[in-house]
Amino acid sequence: TQLLEQSPQFLSIQEGENLTVYCNSSSVFSSLQWYRQEPGEGPVLLVTVVTGGEVKKLKRLTFQFGDARKDSSLHITAAQPGDTGLYLCARSTGKLIFGQGTTLQVKP
Amino acid sequence: DTGVSQNPRHKITKRGQNVTFRCDPISEHNRLYWYRQTLGQGPEFLTYFQNEAQLEKSRLLSDRFSAERPKGSFSTLEIQRTEQGDSAMYLCASSLVGVELSPLHFGNGTRLTVT
Repeated sequence: TQLLEQSPQFLSIQEGENLTVYCNSSSVFSSLQWYRQEPGEGPVLLVTVVTGGEVKKLKRLTFQFGDARKDSSLHITAAQPGDTGLYLCARSTGKLIFGQGTTLQVKP
Repeated sequence: DTGVSQNPRHKITKRGQNVTFRCDPISEHNRLYWYRQTLGQGPEFLTYFQNEAQLEKSRLLSDRFSAERPKGSFSTLEIQRTEQGDSAMYLCASSLVGVELSPLHFGNGTRLTVT
């Protein structure tokens, strides 16, 4: 059972466009992690958010944790083909529970 | 730090056969996790160990699945009497105790195809 809902499930955009993916739950998170996974590889951690309302930036990626700590978003500015991959949010309950992921395809 | 290593990378087997996968975690990590992932979906938790103790096992894991970590270092995942529905990517990850702020480091997985 997935406790995290990610949307959209699939996104195909042109290079240079902006996009936002969302991660929602009915439960409060103590922390939330975002991972990116490329084909044939395991997921790699991008960021961990802990505090409600927190905003973290990683180059062109901006991560936000909702004030109530029930949701999070990932915004990518000026997407590039190298951003293509599966984006996963995950919450910790002793182990990590992942959302179903957002597959992003950025076309040159 | 050579990262998490999984072997084999690919395994093709016939339905009904047994298969075993191996995971070598990052050496100083005492937690080890197994996940299963199908194409385009997020990883699904199977089980995890702290040192040699298996702390939790998902209800997704039928009796045909067993995992061990005998000396608290490498781990094996065995699937007996494989079925076509077992076809997936099997991912191993390791971390320090305390996943809250300690990220999981994943291997590149073992892709299982059951024909």
